[in-house]
Amino acid sequence: SQTIHQWPATLVQPVGSPLSLECTVEGTSNPNLYWYRQAAGRGLQLLFYSVGIGQISSEVPQNLSASRTQDRQFILSSKKLLLSDSGFYLCAWTLGGNTEAFFGQGTRLTVV
Amino acid sequence: QQQVKQSPQSLIVQKGGISIINCAYENTAFDYFPWYQQFPGKGPALLIAIRPDVSEKKEGRFTISFNKSAKQFSLHIMDSQPGDSATYFCAVPNTGTASKLTFGTGTRLQVTL
Repeated sequence: SQTIHQWPATLVQPVGSPLSLECTVEGTSNPNLYWYRQAAGRGLQLLFYSVGIGQISSEVPQNLSASRTQDRQFILSSKKLLLSDSGFYLCAWTLGGNTEAFFGQGTRLTVV
Repeated sequence: QQQVKQSPQSLIVQKGGISIINCAYENTAFDYFPWYQQFPGKGPALLIAIRPDVSEKKEGRFTISFNKSAKQFSLHIMDSQPGDSATYFCAVPNTGTASKLTFGTGTRLQVTL
């Protein structure tokens, strides 16, 4: 069966520090991968999506970047965190063709 | 860019009552309309989904009603239970190979005793 792993679960980082969040999918091949951010009590904002290795599309200009160098791994990064980067970050995958999205358990990032 | 309007923002229902959440979209070139359920501190999970070849789909206490002409679909939770207290999101896929999902802003449901 397919599983999605996202870590860490919680993270407290100082302003100006770098960030690296990792997401790995198991049990499937060539998934579409996504990073969403959810502010407290708010909806899901799509940050990046990828349809294949090295193919990254950015939805919202911001202080973050994403990379995909392996088929089932998606990494969210920042060189220097801002206070406004705080939030709940969710990784998800689909097989495309308007199918179900499977989400990871999320990373709660607090920038202090 | 797909626009999705979800209402209400929050909902309080007594145990045993009916919870109704609505979602409206703009574009019509889609074939999949899901609802996701999210508990605090967890990622969303698919609750129920409909494809527009039918106007209604029922799974247990959860029903999706779809109105293609009005570009709306809704989630009905019958006999609401305290365990249903969660945030619910509708989603509308965009066309294209990425299968992007645009989510509604969410409805926080609280079912009281």
